[in-house]
Amino acid sequence: AQSVTQLDSQVPVFEEAPVELRCNYSSSVSVYLFWYVQYPNQGLQLLLKYLSGSTLVKGINGFEAEFNKSQTSFHLRKPSVHISDTAEYFCAVSEYSSASKIIFGSGTRLSIRP
Amino acid sequence: GAVVSQHPSWVICKSGTSVKIECRSLDFQATTMFWYRQFPKQSLMLMATSNEGSKATYEQGVEKDKFLINHASLTLSTLTVTSAHPEDSSFYICSAREGSGSTEAFFGQGTRLTVV
Repeated sequence: AQSVTQLDSQVPVFEEAPVELRCNYSSSVSVYLFWYVQYPNQGLQLLLKYLSGSTLVKGINGFEAEFNKSQTSFHLRKPSVHISDTAEYFCAVSEYSSASKIIFGSGTRLSIRP
Repeated sequence: GAVVSQHPSWVICKSGTSVKIECRSLDFQATTMFWYRQFPKQSLMLMATSNEGSKATYEQGVEKDKFLINHASLTLSTLTVTSAHPEDSSFYICSAREGSGSTEAFFGQGTRLTVV
């Protein structure tokens, strides 16, 4: 079975500073990896996903993530954050199967300080 | 992108009553749908996976008689919380995947259930 670990429950960052949200996964088979963002009382919006190929994945809102198979990591980065990036961010993993469930990490709350 | 609509967005019910939450895929056929529960400031916990026309597969610890899931068509799945109690109050989110080969699941906007 797969699992996801988000090491940081909260990350405070000043506006326009860079940020990295960490994610590590565990699985005995090949997986897809995702980052989702959730604003208060809303559903989830997909930021980006890694399926195969290039290990550097670019997503919406200026976010990118890098898949590192040897370290089983998929950290999310943004070079310069904005107040509007304040939200909860979830890393998720899914095994290679269209019916495979998506398992979420515990989430990281990104708070941007002016 | 594909749209998943969840209804209602919020509901308040009395203890002991049942509540039905609908999840619809608006512009694609959802072969598989997932139901999640999210407690305040916590992650999404998968409750069950449902495939169209077959019984749902529940995760360990989730009471299938308490949380009834129906996936009668390729565009609609429902979650019924039976005999609701205050501890069932939570944020429920559905997601849907298109047919074989689909790598992404699309999420509804969630339903805030409050049992009083």
